[in-house]
Amino acid sequence: LAKTTQPISMDSYEGQEVNITCSHNNIATNDYITWYQQFPSQGPRFIIQGYKTKVTNEVASLFIPADRKSSTLSLPRVSLSDTAVYYCLVGDRGGNTPLVFGKGTRLSVIA
Amino acid sequence: GAGVSQSPSNKVTEKGKDVELRCDPISGHTALYWYRQSLGQGLEFLIYFQGNSAPDKSGLPSDRFSAERTGGSVSTLTIQRTQQEDSAVYLCASSLGEPGGSKTQYFGPGTRLLVL
Repeated sequence: LAKTTQPISMDSYEGQEVNITCSHNNIATNDYITWYQQFPSQGPRFIIQGYKTKVTNEVASLFIPADRKSSTLSLPRVSLSDTAVYYCLVGDRGGNTPLVFGKGTRLSVIA
Repeated sequence: GAGVSQSPSNKVTEKGKDVELRCDPISGHTALYWYRQSLGQGLEFLIYFQGNSAPDKSGLPSDRFSAERTGGSVSTLTIQRTQQEDSAVYLCASSLGEPGGSKTQYFGPGTRLLVL
């Protein structure tokens, strides 16, 4: 499994754009990049998944450079309710190996 | 439709007792995962079931931990002779598990275990 590295924590003010970068230097050809969000006292929930370039949905955007050795989760105009832990996962969609969560990035949004 | 459910939501036990934690995955999901999360920490993978394949038990921290999945659906995580360091939130997740699929994991609310 490709190892991922994320910042332990980040702070942001409400209304700002937040970018969380994840490093995955050993990503394999078949690996996808997935981000999850976890609010306090809840289980994680899926945010976005991508393979290359850019993916956007109603929650976030995911930017993946051509070498795929890193990825950036972008949250536009964060609010206090975006305070959560964000996890970056890298894994093969095709096999039976489960995705494994790292320690994540704790985002604190300040009013 | 119904999401992943777990029971009990909270469990307080005494050191040395056995506990059983239950997970009901989303209907039709062939993959099921157990994780442990200590206060303020990330998720720690415990065990993974995929269809009829042998489970991946590589994350179980000791032989006091075991899990079963009956009929490819409900799963039970058993902790024998509980220790205080077993206190944590135990999370269950399920996914479709289909080859080439997104493997999106859907999590239950967790069981908060406190060992006194």
